Amino acid sequence: AQKITQTQPGMFVQEKEAVTLDCTYDTSDPSYGLFWYKQPSSGEMIFLIYQGSYDQQNATEGRYSLNFQKARKSANLVISASQLGDSAMYFCAMRAITGGFKTIFGAGTRLFVKA
Amino acid sequence: DAGVIQSPRHEVTEMGQEVTLRCKPISGHDYLFWYRQTMMRGLELLIYFNNNVPIDDSGMPEDRFSAKMPNASFSTLKIQPSEPRDSAVYFCASTRDLPSYEQYFGPGTRLTVT
Repeated sequence: AQKITQTQPGMFVQEKEAVTLDCTYDTSDPSYGLFWYKQPSSGEMIFLIYQGSYDQQNATEGRYSLNFQKARKSANLVISASQLGDSAMYFCAMRAITGGFKTIFGAGTRLFVKA
Repeated sequence: DAGVIQSPRHEVTEMGQEVTLRCKPISGHDYLFWYRQTMMRGLELLIYFNNNVPIDDSGMPEDRFSAKMPNASFSTLKIQPSEPRDSAVYFCASTRDLPSYEQYFGPGTRLTVT
């Protein structure tokens, strides 16, 4: 069975510092994709970053990077130079090829950025 | 592109009433998903379609829920009869036929059943 685990219900970070949000996953499928989404208090879901299971390098998108450790089945999101606007809920998600396009989401981590 | 469009944005109804949520996916997207988000259960996939055909409806909670996609640009999620425990935010999302392509979410419909 496929599963996404986010063990940090809430995280605090000081503005301008970096923060790592943890995500572990479980799948027996060799081909899969990992996604991170941001959900601010306004409620919309915003795509942040994608990592494919066969990608050799960690994905980066601006201040976001994904620390992909395949052997440990972890896909942690790193936000550098945190901003007040980064305060939101963050979801890790996975799509495995054998699951078609079914995407499963973790429970989320709420990030609070302090001024 | 206008993005995924959902209507209504807010719906308040009484228990026992029929509720219909609507979604217009992004043009050219082959897949459409319906999710439900609650504090207790998080984000749950209810059903998804590929080229207007339902592929996986294993997340549909019970027979009171039904979803249709009569054409590539429109889908509905219906609850009949509605119950207070159906109160949640319902998201529609769409994506292209590429494994690496992210899902684009609509703004959601906040449903309150009293």
